[in-house]
Amino acid sequence: GENVEQHPSTLSVQEGDSAVIKCTYSDSASNYFPWYKQELGKGPQLIIDIRSNVGEKKDQRIAVTLNKTAKHFSLHITETQPEDSAVYFCAVFGGTSYGKLTFGQGTILTVHP
Amino acid sequence: GAGVSQTPSNKVTEKGKYVELRCDPISGHTALYWYRQSLGQGPEFLIYFQGTGAADDSGLPNDRFFAVRPEGSVSTLKIQRTERGDSAVYLCASSPRDYPYNEQFFGPGTRLTVL
Repeated sequence: GENVEQHPSTLSVQEGDSAVIKCTYSDSASNYFPWYKQELGKGPQLIIDIRSNVGEKKDQRIAVTLNKTAKHFSLHITETQPEDSAVYFCAVFGGTSYGKLTFGQGTILTVHP
Repeated sequence: GAGVSQTPSNKVTEKGKYVELRCDPISGHTALYWYRQSLGQGPEFLIYFQGTGAADDSGLPNDRFFAVRPEGSVSTLKIQRTERGDSAVYLCASSPRDYPYNEQFFGPGTRLTVL
């Protein structure tokens, strides 16, 4: 089955800095790569996603890049704010994991004011 | 609009008891998913419905776990003879489609504690 590795497990930045979280996956047939933000006591919230026919997607301060050849994708957050502090999960869909998302282990992002 | 709702938000039960967890998906979403999230981990897939039928139940850990979606909307996850290892947050998600791309929207989860 699909295997998703996410790094780093924790990330601490100062307000205004950029944050980058990276994920690698194993199934080259995977075709959809969402990112979720989870705050304490809440369910994961979809913040951005990218499809396999696109290399980069941006939405205001967040962007995602995909390298299909290397089987990795990254979340970039610019001009971080304290309210960006949360746990971020990458996920992978498609290929042999058709019908379900396979999640990474999560990154705890802390933005210090 | 209304998102995915799950009830109860918290459930405390004793080892060996039976529990039911309910999920109300976003109206019109045909695909419904159950995941389990242990502390400090990402969600892990349990079962997926397309309409009323379970399209993939390969993530259910054993036969104590069962889920239904009789009318293609609300779903219930049922756990028999609960064990302490079943303690986790159970998340439900729904999606307007399951192919070719699969935006899943999650509910707040049910925190299950088995004493």
